[in-house]
Amino acid sequence: DTGVSQDPRHKITKRGQNVTFRCDPISEHNRLYWYRQTLGQGPEFLTYFQNEAQLEKSRLLSDRFSAERPKGSFSTLEIQRTEQGDSAMYLCASSSDRGDKNIQYFGAGTRLSVL
Amino acid sequence: QQQVKQSPQSLIVQKGGISIINCAYENTAFDYFPWYQQFPGKGPALLIAIRPDVSEKKEGRFTISFNKSAKQFSLHIMDSQPGDSATYFCAAMPQYSSASKIIFGSGTRLSIRP
Repeated sequence: DTGVSQDPRHKITKRGQNVTFRCDPISEHNRLYWYRQTLGQGPEFLTYFQNEAQLEKSRLLSDRFSAERPKGSFSTLEIQRTEQGDSAMYLCASSSDRGDKNIQYFGAGTRLSVL
Repeated sequence: QQQVKQSPQSLIVQKGGISIINCAYENTAFDYFPWYQQFPGKGPALLIAIRPDVSEKKEGRFTISFNKSAKQFSLHIMDSQPGDSATYFCAAMPQYSSASKIIFGSGTRLSIRP
């Protein structure tokens, strides 16, 4: 399967702990996105990378959140000092700037539960 | 502030019937309107998309109708099948963002009764 993969699929943590998620995009895609989806809602944009550069961040991305894409391939999303309100599905998507850049391919997500 | 409003929240349709989901937007800077389908435990997948310069796009049993003056668009699923049971999201993408970020509606949970 050469789609977008995310790890772990599920994460349960206690409030105040730090968590890190990983996303591996489709190999030839240079654009990578993070979204957050809460129960019963549509995904909300968090941040965007073009290669290794983080070019846009949503106001939703508080200073407890940090995302990296060090070599322009995989990306990590870290949440420090987790809060119960951080419980959500974190989705990663990738796309190419060649062809139809509007088409984003999503991974299955990482479901975070903060107790 | 919800930039893309979607209704209904849930929908039950008999097999073979027509499923209709409606969306509305305010921002005229949106220039691409995709629909995504999401099954439980999966990420959203692009189903069909339209640009505002056309009023209708059809792909198989799925049709988008677009009304630019009313700033509304809808998804019609003809001959609905149990396998169509999923959550559907309308979305919009702004031309002013180089990120091509997707702005999603709140979703419609569609159930097709056999």
